[in-house]
Amino acid sequence: QVQVVQSGAEVKKPGASVKVSCKTSGYMFTAYYVHWVRQASGQGLEWMGRIYPNSGGTDYARKFQGRVIMTRDTSINTAYMEVSRLRSDDTGVYYCVVYNDKDFWGQGTLVTVSS
Amino acid sequence: DIQMTQSPSSLSASVGDRVTITCQASQDIRNHVNWYQHKPGRTPKLLIYDASNLETGFPSRFSGSGSGTDFTFTISGLQPEDVATYYCQHYDGLPLFGGGTKVEVK
Repeated sequence: QVQVVQSGAEVKKPGASVKVSCKTSGYMFTAYYVHWVRQASGQGLEWMGRIYPNSGGTDYARKFQGRVIMTRDTSINTAYMEVSRLRSDDTGVYYCVVYNDKDFWGQGTLVTVSS
Repeated sequence: DIQMTQSPSSLSASVGDRVTITCQASQDIRNHVNWYQHKPGRTPKLLIYDASNLETGFPSRFSGSGSGTDFTFTISGLQPEDVATYYCQHYDGLPLFGGGTKVEVK
């Protein structure tokens, strides 16, 4: 069965970077986009971008272009998302999502940005 | 970029009421709309795909309709377990969520 497991919570200072991992199993990793969605504190869901693991090709929402990098390691079926120049309003829960017949969400990673 | 305007931002209704949420796209997006349910403390779940198709496992009181620019999500007979925030999302090009509708039971 499809499983999507994210890395644990992070606490970062403003201006720092954070890298969240998303380890998948139970399906062909290279065949399906991995999307990243966040819910900033007190806000709604935001689609951040996606990576196609087969080629490594990425698409980013305009809001996150230049500050987010999505990568993958096909040898361990894992996707990564790095957010740089963190601000306090980046505090929130970050999800990775795979759509493979249905949606499979990671458990979410809480990122707290605080001085 | 295609924008999605979702309304209302919140609503409160009684058990058994019919609840309707709308999303309007800034341009024609055919039927490329998903609806998600996000319960507090849980991960979001895809509920409706391609504007009107109910995901397996969800009760038939949930439905979606629309095409082009105007989309509707309906709960026909609100239940206490339906308390959640509901989001539309288009995927015609780069995906984008609507602002969400928080549904509460009176």
